[in-house]
Amino acid sequence: GAGVSQSPSNKVTEKGKDVELRCDPISGHTALYWYRQSLGQGLEFLIYFQGNSAPDKSGLPSDRFSAERTGGSVSTLTIQRTQQEDSAVYLCASSRDSIEAFFGQGTRLTVV
Amino acid sequence: RKEVEQDPGPFNVPEGATVAFNCTYSNSASQSFFWYRQDCRKEPKLLMSVYSSGNEDGRFTAQLNRASQYISLLIRDSKLSDSATYLCVVNSGTYKYIFGTGTRLKVLA
Repeated sequence: GAGVSQSPSNKVTEKGKDVELRCDPISGHTALYWYRQSLGQGLEFLIYFQGNSAPDKSGLPSDRFSAERTGGSVSTLTIQRTQQEDSAVYLCASSRDSIEAFFGQGTRLTVV
Repeated sequence: RKEVEQDPGPFNVPEGATVAFNCTYSNSASQSFFWYRQDCRKEPKLLMSVYSSGNEDGRFTAQLNRASQYISLLIRDSKLSDSATYLCVVNSGTYKYIFGTGTRLKVLA
């Protein structure tokens, strides 16, 4: 079946612009995660959604970052007024059982 | 102190060698442990879960030492295709996966 799908795969934006990153999780997976991976760094937890529960936003680095998940499926991560330090690969993952998280191929964001 | 720590490497080993990576975690309440593999410019993929009794999958063996709070990954008879970054992942029993920064392995012909 289809895996986790993320779009766009690459995004170049000017400093100060807003960007939206999209994630389509695997059908039936109730848990959805956003992580960020900077060059040579590990995965940094950003936000977690589980069903209809309130999301865990504890990893969002600033109030310029927000995310929503509509209808318990598709999620959008929005970064407002992008800064150069926001450049990274943004990875989305979904999970059914907290045993295995399946990752999308990521969105490579470059802020120039 | 980071929640999950790994030696970043790189570990450069010849084909056929045995190589081992360790990972330490700081939260003694951690309950689930995994090794993920990440190829260059690709997404992480689950390699294996790590059970208290240890587990083996072909050339790969994972072990957990709760007393010392570390997990290990042993790769026997290394192949060129094993070259990748190996990510240690810890879950505290909730939903949040905490990733280490990864250990880079290069298997040389």
